Amino acid sequence: EVQLVQSGAEVKKPGTTVKISCMVSGYTFTDYYMHWVQQAPGKGLEWVGLVDPEDGETIYAEKFQGRVTITADTSPDTTYMELTRLTSEDTAVYYCAICYFGRFNRFDPWGQGTLVTVSS
Amino acid sequence: EIVLTQSPGTLSLSPGERATLSCRASQRLSSTYLAWYQQKPGQPPSLLIYGASTRATGIPDRFSGSGSGTDFTLTISRLEPEDFAVYYCQQYGGSQITFGQGTRLEIK
Repeated sequence: EVQLVQSGAEVKKPGTTVKISCMVSGYTFTDYYMHWVQQAPGKGLEWVGLVDPEDGETIYAEKFQGRVTITADTSPDTTYMELTRLTSEDTAVYYCAICYFGRFNRFDPWGQGTLVTVSS
Repeated sequence: EIVLTQSPGTLSLSPGERATLSCRASQRLSSTYLAWYQQKPGQPPSLLIYGASTRATGIPDRFSGSGSGTDFTLTISRLEPEDFAVYYCQQYGGSQITFGQGTRLEIK
């Protein structure tokens, strides 16, 4: 069974950096792209970016370019999302998700989400 | 960037009724690159439909997707109590992925 287990909730101060993780199991990690999606409280879904766990190639949404770094590590099979220069607008749940059919395709399944709260 | 606009924002219906949700793209899309997700409170989104009309594994046949070009539709033929949730469309045809703003399906 494919499983994505994300790290726990974080509380950060404005201007700082957060790094959250998504550990996967049940399939060959390097075979498929991993994506991250942001969901602010009561709001919709916004794509953050992707990583190819095989070679570390990344593509980021324009909104997050310059502030986000997505990485992948095979020991253990985990993807990370780091977001710098946090503001209150970064308060959101962040989801990881698998993309089985190429770089850009449908997401299935998703992790359970990690709440990041930015507050002074 | 391809913008997806979903309508209505909120849809109020009763169990047993038919629901029709719309997703309009700012540019023509290949139908291959349009998906629908359902999200319930406190849960991550889950995949319903991909390729505009193909149901994901385990999705009941009361859910159907259709459309092409810039106009796509998710139809739920007879609403069950567990279908009341928020629904998002997603396009993955370009170099950036975008989602619609969502349609909230609520019990009337």
